[in-house]
Amino acid sequence: SAVISQKPSRDICQRGTSLTIQCQVDSQVTMMFWYRQQPGQSLTLIATANQGSEATYESGFVIDKFPISRPNLTFSTLTVSNMSPEDSSIYLCSVEWGYGYTFGSGTRLTVV
Amino acid sequence: QKEVEQDPGPLSVPEGAIVSLNCTYSNSAFQYFMWYRQYSRKGPELLMYTYSSGNKEDGRFTAQVDKSSKYISLFIRDSQPSDSATYLCAMSATSYGKLTFGQGTILTVHP
Repeated sequence: SAVISQKPSRDICQRGTSLTIQCQVDSQVTMMFWYRQQPGQSLTLIATANQGSEATYESGFVIDKFPISRPNLTFSTLTVSNMSPEDSSIYLCSVEWGYGYTFGSGTRLTVV
Repeated sequence: QKEVEQDPGPLSVPEGAIVSLNCTYSNSAFQYFMWYRQYSRKGPELLMYTYSSGNKEDGRFTAQVDKSSKYISLFIRDSQPSDSATYLCAMSATSYGKLTFGQGTILTVHP
């Protein structure tokens, strides 16, 4: 399966600041997905990123808060902007691969 | 009501036990069903992938899908301490469509 490198693995950030999370895949993929996993809860899709087009956001998520870049077929970034403690969560990127999807190890974000 | 319901547990079993994990769903459009295993501080890892109804077996793991009842199951035979993890069911309407996850079941297998 594809191998995903996600950085940073964790971070503690001050409220009001922004954090950019990077996702690097070892193979070219058409779509990359960004998920949020809040404490004790399941994964919720934030947006789908296709190379060369604007990301598609799910209900409840907006581009101003979670801007996404997808400059090529192996890389994407998710920015969590103007953070508040409610943004404390694990953020994961994912790609389609064969049957199913492969996930990165996630970025554990704590906002203080 | 959530689209996918999964008993969060936690579930604790002795080594060697048969484990049954289940999800129910409400969206009849779901055609693709997956089970993921997530170890602490790791991303989800795909265990089983099933299309439509039926059974699929892979080693100690068996996935069952009953679309008429909107019910899917994962069975783990001869459970091992290394099976201790959170198990997530996930499903989608299309082959590479949006995944909808269950809440996850925390499983502990004790020696």
